[in-house]
Amino acid sequence: AQSVSQHNHHVILSEAASLELGCNYSYGGTVNLFWYVQYPGQHLQLLLKYFSGDPLVKGIKGFEAEFIKSKFSFNLRKPSVQWSDTAEYFCAVNPAFSGSARQLTFGSGTQLTVLP
Amino acid sequence: DTAVSQTPKYLVTQMGNDKSIKCEQNLGHDTMYWYKQDSKKFLKIMFSYNNKELIINETVPNRFSPKSPDKAHLNLHINSLELGDSAVYFCASSHELAGFYNEQFFGPGTRLTVL
Repeated sequence: AQSVSQHNHHVILSEAASLELGCNYSYGGTVNLFWYVQYPGQHLQLLLKYFSGDPLVKGIKGFEAEFIKSKFSFNLRKPSVQWSDTAEYFCAVNPAFSGSARQLTFGSGTQLTVLP
Repeated sequence: DTAVSQTPKYLVTQMGNDKSIKCEQNLGHDTMYWYKQDSKKFLKIMFSYNNKELIINETVPNRFSPKSPDKAHLNLHINSLELGDSAVYFCASSHELAGFYNEQFFGPGTRLTVL
C-alpha cells in the first residue's frame, strides 16, 4: 500500500515570500501525483497533477511542483504567495496502473497562512 | 452547473440515529468515492465504487454502507451513529477506464455532528 508524508504541518509566510511545501511518498511502482487545495470552508480543488513526462508541472494560480523520482518527492512551489493562498494543501498519490478503482492516499495536509 | 453535489451540507443528529448523505455527479464518471475528513483535516478513503466492484477500506465500521441506485449517485448510509462519526464527509468521482487520467472531482462536503 502507498503512503504519503507532508512534513510541514503549518507554514506561516508573509505576502510575496516564496513557498515550498514538501511531499514524499512510498510505493513500489509507478504513481500518479496530485496537489489539492482546500480553502476555508470549501471543498478540495485540484491544483496540479503529474502522470508522466516533464517532471516539472505547472498548475493553476501560479503553483508548480517537481517530481523527483529518486527522492520519491513531489514538492509544491510558488515564487510569490498572496494572502488569498491561505488554505490547507494536500498531497495525494495513487497507483498508476491498478486495474481496479484507484483510491487516492492523502498526506496529512499543510496549513498555509499568508500574512498581509 | 455543479459537477459533484452533496446533500445535506450540514447534518446534526443524536447518537444512535441512522442517517444518510446523498451524492450525485453529472460528469458521466463511472467511479465514485467517499472520504472522511476528521477534525485534524486528515482525509481518508472510505469506499470506492463502480459498476464492477466495491472496495471498502478495512478500517471503516460496518455501520457505514454505500448505496448506488445508478452510476450518477452514491449515497452513504450510517447506522447507530457514534460521537466519533462527527467529521466532514466528501464525495468524489472519477473516470476509471484504463488509460484515462483518473483525476478525482470532489463535492462540497457534508459536515456531520453527532451529539
